[in-house]
Amino acid sequence: DAGITQSPRHKVTETGTPVTLRCHQTENHRYMYWYRQDPGHGLRLIHYSYGVKDTDKGEVSDGYSVSRSKTEDFLLTLESATSSQTSVYFCATQMGQGLNQPQHFGDGTRLSIL
Amino acid sequence: QKEVEQNSGPLSVPEGAIASLNCTYSDRVSQSFFWYRQYSGKSPELIMSIYSNGDKEDGRFTAQLNKASQYVSLLIRDSQPSDSATYLCAVSSGTGSYQLTFGKGTKLSVIP
Repeated sequence: DAGITQSPRHKVTETGTPVTLRCHQTENHRYMYWYRQDPGHGLRLIHYSYGVKDTDKGEVSDGYSVSRSKTEDFLLTLESATSSQTSVYFCATQMGQGLNQPQHFGDGTRLSIL
Repeated sequence: QKEVEQNSGPLSVPEGAIASLNCTYSDRVSQSFFWYRQYSGKSPELIMSIYSNGDKEDGRFTAQLNKASQYVSLLIRDSQPSDSATYLCAVSSGTGSYQLTFGKGTKLSVIP
């Protein structure tokens, strides 16, 4: 769906280590998003991008940074991972804005921080 | 703060019955509405979108929108056990907006 690939799919790491998650899309969609999903909280927006090198913060951006150097790739970095960042992370893309522009999701990354 | 509210469920229906899932939203200028299905351990999958008042049908699914009441619903006819999943309502506000606000989802269980 929308050719979205997230890597890695699973990762276990230790507190204090840096972690980078990658989202790669083949649909040339302008908008890209990073969400985390936790029980009881639903999908929460971390950061988003509205173009190459254009990014902004979402609802839960503390402890996360992003970069988008080309249309197809959107990277999410945890500079110093904490146990509270254990979650399932989803990348989503969206072709444009306006009416009837849905987001399409990647398969997710399950991240465990010990 | 834009809010999208859904009953968390679980909503249990017998196989073959109609499942009715409801969603209310707080932002009056919301214009596009989406329903996603999420199986356990999987990613959200788009199943319906609607942006005009009234009903929109696609196979066994019907989305209903009432902007005056700020209410959107999803009906699933002839429910099947394979419909058992969590259903997420998502709302986009305004023609200039590209972000979606998601509800926390309703868990549906279809009993054989």
